[in-house]
Amino acid sequence: NAGVTQTPKFQVLKTGQSMTLQCAQDMNHNSMYWYRQDPGMGLRLIYYSASEGTTDKGEVPNGYNVSRLNKREFSLRLESAAPSQTSVYFCASKRQGGLGETQYFGPGTRLLVL
Amino acid sequence: AQKITQTQPGMFVQEKEAVTLDCTYDTSDQSYGLFWYKQPSSGEMIFLIYQGSYDEQNATEGRYSLNFQKARKSANLVISASQLGDSAMYFCAMREEGQNFVFGPGTRLSVLP
Repeated sequence: NAGVTQTPKFQVLKTGQSMTLQCAQDMNHNSMYWYRQDPGMGLRLIYYSASEGTTDKGEVPNGYNVSRLNKREFSLRLESAAPSQTSVYFCASKRQGGLGETQYFGPGTRLLVL
Repeated sequence: AQKITQTQPGMFVQEKEAVTLDCTYDTSDQSYGLFWYKQPSSGEMIFLIYQGSYDEQNATEGRYSLNFQKARKSANLVISASQLGDSAMYFCAMREEGQNFVFGPGTRLSVLP
C-alpha cells in the first residue's frame, strides 16, 4: 500500500553539486508530476509526464531535468544546484480520467542548497 | 496571472466551531474542476474534496463542504465542528480541461483548544 514514494527525504547540497530525486508509484497511473513548494507560493509545477515516454515542462523548469524511466518511476535531476533551488519537492501521480481525478502525492523531499 | 487566490494567509478558529477558508479562481473555460488539499505539519498533501464546474450541488465530504459560487468564481472550503487535528495548511487548486493543476498560495489554519 505504498502509493507514491520519494527518496531521499532530506538532502543538503553545496552550490554546484548535482543530485537526482527519485519517485515511484505503484498505482499504475499514467501521469506523473514534479512540484516545488516554497513559502507563500503554493505548489509550482516543474515538469510532468502525461504518459510513459513523454515529458513536458511546467511553470518553473529552469535548472531541472526529468526522466520517465518506466510507467512507475519519474526522476528529477538538478545538474548544478543553486541556493534558489532550496525547497520542498513533491512528486505526484494521477490516473487518466475526468476532471475529478485527483493527484496523489509523495511525502516530499526537503532540499537545502548551501 | 494568478489563477487561484487565497486571501487569508492565516486563520484561527475555536475548537468545535465552523470555519470558512476562501478561494477565488480565474478561468474563461466552462469545464473545470476545483480541489482542496490539506497539508499537516508532517508535510504530506491530502486530498479533501472536489467540485466540478457543472455540478449543481455543493460537494460535501464528512465535515468538509465546498461553497461553490460559480458566478462569483469562488470555491470556499467550510469545515464544520473544527478539531485540533484540522490545524494545517490548506490549498485550493483548479484544473481546466486538458490542463495541469494550478495551486493557490495556501491558508494556514490554527484550531485553538
